[in-house]
Amino acid sequence: GAGVSQSPRYKVAKRGQDVALRCDPISGHVSLFWYQQALGQGPEFLTYFQNEAQLDKSGLPSDRFFAERPEGSVSTLKIQRTQQEDSAVYLCASSLVGPGLYNEQFFGPGTRLTVL
Amino acid sequence: AQKITQTQPGMFVQEKEAVTLDCTYDTSDPSYGLFWYKQPSSGEMIFLIYQGSYDQQNATEGRYSLNFQKARKSANLVISASQLGDSAMYFCAMRETSGGSYIPTFGRGTSLIVHP
Repeated sequence: GAGVSQSPRYKVAKRGQDVALRCDPISGHVSLFWYQQALGQGPEFLTYFQNEAQLDKSGLPSDRFFAERPEGSVSTLKIQRTQQEDSAVYLCASSLVGPGLYNEQFFGPGTRLTVL
Repeated sequence: AQKITQTQPGMFVQEKEAVTLDCTYDTSDPSYGLFWYKQPSSGEMIFLIYQGSYDQQNATEGRYSLNFQKARKSANLVISASQLGDSAMYFCAMRETSGGSYIPTFGRGTSLIVHP
């Protein structure tokens, strides 16, 4: 059984460029989370999907950030007009069931985005 | 106020010794969950251990145990018999029930180095 995969693993973008980050969750997992991890910090929540529905996007830092999961499996996080402060590792996690106190999240290896 | 505080930016331990990583939390929810994750240099977050706020006993998972002191709002991770492969970043996280989204909040992490 494959784990959560993310692509690309590394992305260098020029300021102002649009980027798209992909997450392949574990097959059958209902919930999918995106996190942003700045250097020297813990992950910070960006957005959450249950199947194809985006139930919480309160962590998205600006309207330049957009996420989708159209068929309830693969998800894409898109950042438009990238800025230097967007440089971070973007982590994706999936879990088998919906919200709950103890629903183990399985994390991908992350995409390291560097904006020059 | 920080919801999760990890006061040790870095810790060193000799192989085979035990080490305690500190975590304090802040919540007014009576029901919450506490997690520890390990993040090696490869980037992905690995779940280690979970403690529910109503659990009577401290959680244990192999060499990992969680020293849960509810009144002090602390949830320290104890790693017994450290191994070289334990060198990594360690993050404490909390899930609360308020709002129903159960979005985890992470601390800033502690870097653990195990030396021979």
